[in-house]
Amino acid sequence: DAKTTQPTSMDCAEGRAANLPCNHSTISGNEYVYWYRQIHSQGPQYIIHGLKNNETNEMASLIITEDRKSSTLILPHATLRDTAVYYCIVRVYPIYNQGGKLIFGQGTELSVKP
Amino acid sequence: DTAVSQTPKYLVTQMGNDKSIKCEQNLGHDTMYWYKQDSKKFLKIMFSYNNKELIINETVPNRFSPKSPDKAHLNLHINSLELGDSAVYFCASSQGQGRSTQNEQFFGPGTRLTVL
Repeated sequence: DAKTTQPTSMDCAEGRAANLPCNHSTISGNEYVYWYRQIHSQGPQYIIHGLKNNETNEMASLIITEDRKSSTLILPHATLRDTAVYYCIVRVYPIYNQGGKLIFGQGTELSVKP
Repeated sequence: DTAVSQTPKYLVTQMGNDKSIKCEQNLGHDTMYWYKQDSKKFLKIMFSYNNKELIINETVPNRFSPKSPDKAHLNLHINSLELGDSAVYFCASSQGQGRSTQNEQFFGPGTRLTVL
């Protein structure tokens, strides 16, 4: 699985968009980009994933560059409850029934401030 | 309704003891996992089971023995506990096939193990 690089920490004002970057310059063609977050003292929570196209769901948007070497997770209107560590993970899409391990890096500690 | 539950939430024990952590998921998933988060907050996969069969074992000491009585349960038994086993242990589950969104992993609330 390819390695990812994320800033250690970021601040965001409440109500503003939070843009969390991730570099994955060694990503290969069959690797997906996944984002999870971990709110303090809780288990990680899935946010979104994508391969090539930009993706949006009720939680966030994922923008993947055309060369796929980097991506940005966007929380459109950050709230205090979005304060968490955000993990960008790239991995081969799991096949059959075998799920697939997630390799977590250090992540970005996002602080949303009033 | 709790999707992935773990018991106990906190576990404090002496070195050398044997302890178990239980995990149950009510999502109907085929695959379950154990992850360890150490004091530096790094999350690492330990084991993965699919339909009660071990499919991932990530260089974990054999003092750790996962047991899956059925596909809804994956328990973790630890023998001869050591100080370095102190960590938060997370159970997770996922559905391996079907639509892509079914491969996301759902995590439990974690079990904080402290070995004295």
